[in-house]
Amino acid sequence: DVKVTQSSRYLVKRTGEKVFLECVQDMDHENMFWYRQDPGLGLRLIYFSYDVKMKEKGDIPEGYSVSREKKERFSLILESASTNQTSMYLCASSSPVAGAPNEQFFGPGTRLTVL
Amino acid sequence: GESVGLHLPTLSVQEGDNSIINCAYSNSASDYFIWYKQESGKGPQFIIDIRSNMDKRQGQRVTVLLNKTVKHLSLQIAATQPGDSAVYFCAENGSDYKLSFGAGTTVTVRA
Repeated sequence: DVKVTQSSRYLVKRTGEKVFLECVQDMDHENMFWYRQDPGLGLRLIYFSYDVKMKEKGDIPEGYSVSREKKERFSLILESASTNQTSMYLCASSSPVAGAPNEQFFGPGTRLTVL
Repeated sequence: GESVGLHLPTLSVQEGDNSIINCAYSNSASDYFIWYKQESGKGPQFIIDIRSNMDKRQGQRVTVLLNKTVKHLSLQIAATQPGDSAVYFCAENGSDYKLSFGAGTTVTVRA
């Protein structure tokens, strides 16, 4: 079974702190994604990556950055956390299938609270 | 812009009844759709998918229907059980292997 793990289930940070959210997948997937999930808004894509060292902005990248130094690991960074970044953060991975879209496998999520 | 949405944010269903969760999409070029289930405290999990060359696909107790004419997707759950209580998301493929998600429908099963 594909396993996507996230470093923390719950995290509480102060405004202005630098925050690192880590995601690791064990299925050698090329694609990795970071979403945030807020009530009534569904999942919104922050950043994604097709390969090591590669990153692409999603729909809401402002205030975030990412790092993909190894294929299995995709990190989300909040350079200076703000209260409006309090949310559930979900990591996902997928493997590209030539000419076909495919499902994404999700981690359990990190609930971040910024005070 | 493109959007994927669900008609109702909440659905309450009696245990044993069938559930129908609806989703409207706007991108007529989408050719792949997925339903995910998210239980409390967990990440979304794949339920079933369907490609645009099909109009129906069945799984275990679940059926997905796709009506491309009106750009409508539905998930039917047969004989709903308490373990079916969750948030259900539809998603459609976007560009570059991305998925666009709807806002979700919260299903509550009454005993």
